Amino acid sequence: QKEVEQDPGPLSVPEGAIVSLNCTYSNSAFQYFMWYRQYSRKGPELLMYTYSSGNKEDGRFTAQVDKSSKYISLFIRDSQPSDSATYLCAMKGNDMRFGAGTRLTVKP
Amino acid sequence: GAGVSQSPSNKVTEKGKDVELRCDPISGHTALYWYRQSLGQGLEFLIYFQGNSAPDKSGLPSDRFSAERTGGSVSTLTIQRTQQEDSAVYLCASSLVVFRDIKYFGPGTRLTVL
Repeated sequence: QKEVEQDPGPLSVPEGAIVSLNCTYSNSAFQYFMWYRQYSRKGPELLMYTYSSGNKEDGRFTAQVDKSSKYISLFIRDSQPSDSATYLCAMKGNDMRFGAGTRLTVKP
Repeated sequence: GAGVSQSPSNKVTEKGKDVELRCDPISGHTALYWYRQSLGQGLEFLIYFQGNSAPDKSGLPSDRFSAERTGGSVSTLTIQRTQQEDSAVYLCASSLVVFRDIKYFGPGTRLTVL
């Protein structure tokens, strides 16, 4: 079993939809949780960074962490075609681990 | 401002050849990382440089892989006797030591071994 599991998708939604992206993990040592966005042929860029359980909101993006369930989510409200990218979760304890990424397409 | 740059952007080589991949980190970032990204896989950590400290090589998959960082800035990842399974995107990232979780990635080098 991988330390971090992420459904690779692909996920296709219409413009304006609410998108939910998720990762599960098995290592209780993970304390810091991140979401990166990666456009095609580009490197990942940090989108959200959270530490504790609960929600963190930034514009149309909300990151949610449930440490008791070892489950993290990224919600995108009012999705736009420009949100089309691969989204990678990442988490850090003693080491940092990345999910495989979920490819999202938002159709106009 | 300038971000992390990598060269070449694409590299096609024949099995058994050696390749060198270059990374220019953001000026002032003392931490530098190399990752490998294969289709359907998460980012695989390869090596980490921090200042003048000995690098953390724990992620290098075999002794065919090596990396160096000259003058605390530019880094080169070398793969000797390339194999087809080495085909992947090689990503470099840099960060400030106090914010190591905040990594800035370059665009990557797409390596194809025929």
